[in-house]
Amino acid sequence: GAVVSQHPSRVICKSGTSVKIECRSLDFQATTMFWYRQFPKQSLMLMATSNEGSKATYEQGVEKDKFLINHASLTLSTLTVTSAHPEDSSFYICSARDSVGTRPHEQYFGPGTRLTVT
Amino acid sequence: AQSVAQPEDQVNVAEGNPLTVKCTYSVSGNPYLFWYVQYPNRGLQFLLKYITGDNLVKGSYGFEAEFNKSQTSFHLKKPSALVSDSALYFCAVRVFTGTASKLTFGTGTRLQVTL
Repeated sequence: GAVVSQHPSRVICKSGTSVKIECRSLDFQATTMFWYRQFPKQSLMLMATSNEGSKATYEQGVEKDKFLINHASLTLSTLTVTSAHPEDSSFYICSARDSVGTRPHEQYFGPGTRLTVT
Repeated sequence: AQSVAQPEDQVNVAEGNPLTVKCTYSVSGNPYLFWYVQYPNRGLQFLLKYITGDNLVKGSYGFEAEFNKSQTSFHLKKPSALVSDSALYFCAVRVFTGTASKLTFGTGTRLQVTL
């Protein structure tokens, strides 16, 4: 099946610094990528949707200046958490969909990145 | 609002017994329904989907789900549970807004299979 990777898998940073998380589709072209946030023992909350080459669409309540998303190529999207604070500590999961491929309705998920802000 | 509901936070079952994880949906139009599984500190793995066709959908690892339009349900089932099936299970529905779409997840059900 399709593979989505995320890097890093785990990161610890100090309050006020910025952290970049990469999401790559390894064997398909991800025309659409999604970024989710998951708090302990809770469901996934969609943060934003990005289409390759265009600006991301953020969900209500998500600060676009704080969570910068770049989807510059069909295989790579990045999420940058700027000026991180302890309340940004969470599990971030990216997902990718090949909207024009043979399985347009399936969404493939990365393994997640555990961010801890101290 | 279009959504899915998972009424059970946790389901406990003995290994070898059948398991059911419940999901109900509320959508306008034809639903696109999905089941995903999440192991600790991992992303989600796709199990199965219903788009159209047979109401009984077979997926990965011996799981299946039955689409029931009259009851607006999409329960996940497996005839014989394994300890290794213990994980967090999410039901999801694809919500369409114009030309875009996104997955909306239920709150998740933790499945605990014991010996």
